[in-house]
Amino acid sequence: DVKVTQSSRYLVKRTGEKVFLECVQDMDHENMFWYRQDPGLGLRLIYFSYDVKMKEKGDIPEGYSVSREKKERFSLILESASTNQTSMYLCASSPRTGKLGEKLFFGSGTQLSVL
Amino acid sequence: AQTVTQSQPEMSVQEAETVTLSCTYDTSESNYYLFWYKQPPSRQMILVIRQEAYKQQNATENRFSVNFQKAAKSFSLKISDSQLGDTAMYFCAFMKLSTGTASKLTFGTGTRLQVTL
Repeated sequence: DVKVTQSSRYLVKRTGEKVFLECVQDMDHENMFWYRQDPGLGLRLIYFSYDVKMKEKGDIPEGYSVSREKKERFSLILESASTNQTSMYLCASSPRTGKLGEKLFFGSGTQLSVL
Repeated sequence: AQTVTQSQPEMSVQEAETVTLSCTYDTSESNYYLFWYKQPPSRQMILVIRQEAYKQQNATENRFSVNFQKAAKSFSLKISDSQLGDTAMYFCAFMKLSTGTASKLTFGTGTRLQVTL
């Protein structure tokens, strides 16, 4: 089974801190994604990557950056955490378009609270 | 840009009954995928069912089936013989196929389904 692992299930940080959320997948997938999930808003795409060192902005990239130095790892960075970034963060991966019916595989999420 | 609308924030169904969750989407694309994902309290997103837009036949997976109306841009999920384990948040999602980059999912706002005894 494909495994997408997010390093923390719960995280509490202070306003202004630099925060790193880590995601690792074990199936050699080319694509990786970061979504945030908020009640009443569903899942919204922050950033995604389709290859090592390649990244593209999603729908809500403001206040975030990403890093993909190795194929299996995709990091989400909050440069200066703010209270409006309190949310559930979900990482996902998928093989290159055209393989396996375009299914995304998700991690179990990191609930981030910024105080 | 594509949008996905789920107009039912919450629904309830009795065990063994049938329930239908609604989803509409807006796109100018002709080739795309539609998905229903389930998120139980464990938070793990689970793929329930997938439909390819070029296929006219509605997808089915055991107790789960869809009613895909391409012209109406509607993609509803029917759960038959509901079970307590079906209690979850259900998300409808749209994927436009992209070349040269990743194909991304656009999600609706979700429907919270409660299955009761």
